[in-house]
Amino acid sequence: RKEVEQDPGPFNVPEGATVAFNCTYSNSASQSFFWYRQDCRKEPKLLMSVYSSGNEDGRFTAQLNRASQYISLLIRDSKLSDSATYLCVGPSGGSYIPTFGRGTSLIVHP
Amino acid sequence: DTEVTQTPKHLVMGMTNKKSLKCEQHMGHRAMYWYKQKAKKPPELMFVYSYEKLSINESVPSRFSPECPNSSLLNLHLHALQPEDSALYLCASSLAGEENIQYFGAGTRLSVL
Repeated sequence: RKEVEQDPGPFNVPEGATVAFNCTYSNSASQSFFWYRQDCRKEPKLLMSVYSSGNEDGRFTAQLNRASQYISLLIRDSKLSDSATYLCVGPSGGSYIPTFGRGTSLIVHP
Repeated sequence: DTEVTQTPKHLVMGMTNKKSLKCEQHMGHRAMYWYKQKAKKPPELMFVYSYEKLSINESVPSRFSPECPNSSLLNLHLHALQPEDSALYLCASSLAGEENIQYFGAGTRLSVL
């Protein structure tokens, strides 16, 4: 079983919509998670960290649910420029090196 | 703009060629990474260097040979590649101890004919 699993989508939403993605993880001891964003044919870029207390940055909110072992990313008031693949990143078991989820594709249309 | 610079941006090579990919960062990061990414897949870790020493090799075939000449530079030497090695090769760096926060270069798009 992969350490970190995501629904690949795509999620097709209209501008202005609120959309949420989840990412499940298998290692219950994992403490730190991150969301990265990757635009088409570009490199991944760090979007935000995920804390159990929640982390909000403008229209983006990330949360960690330890009981159910998933992290979430909520995007409010979607913009066309939010169209990208969102990669969930968590620690791999027994290693300090992070493992990437397969990514969730978001398409925001007019 | 990325602070990790990769060259070349594009590379086409034959199966008998030898080529090298280069990566440079000046952020003082002491951990550097090579990833391979195929279309619609996540980045797949190949190698990790920590303080200029190879610390992780994810069972990568020997036709890929990494090198870290100094703390700012990372190379990936390619020899006798196969067409299935065609992919986007990404370099990344991080502070040692903050491996989850990686800065990626724009990548080298490699085609093996």
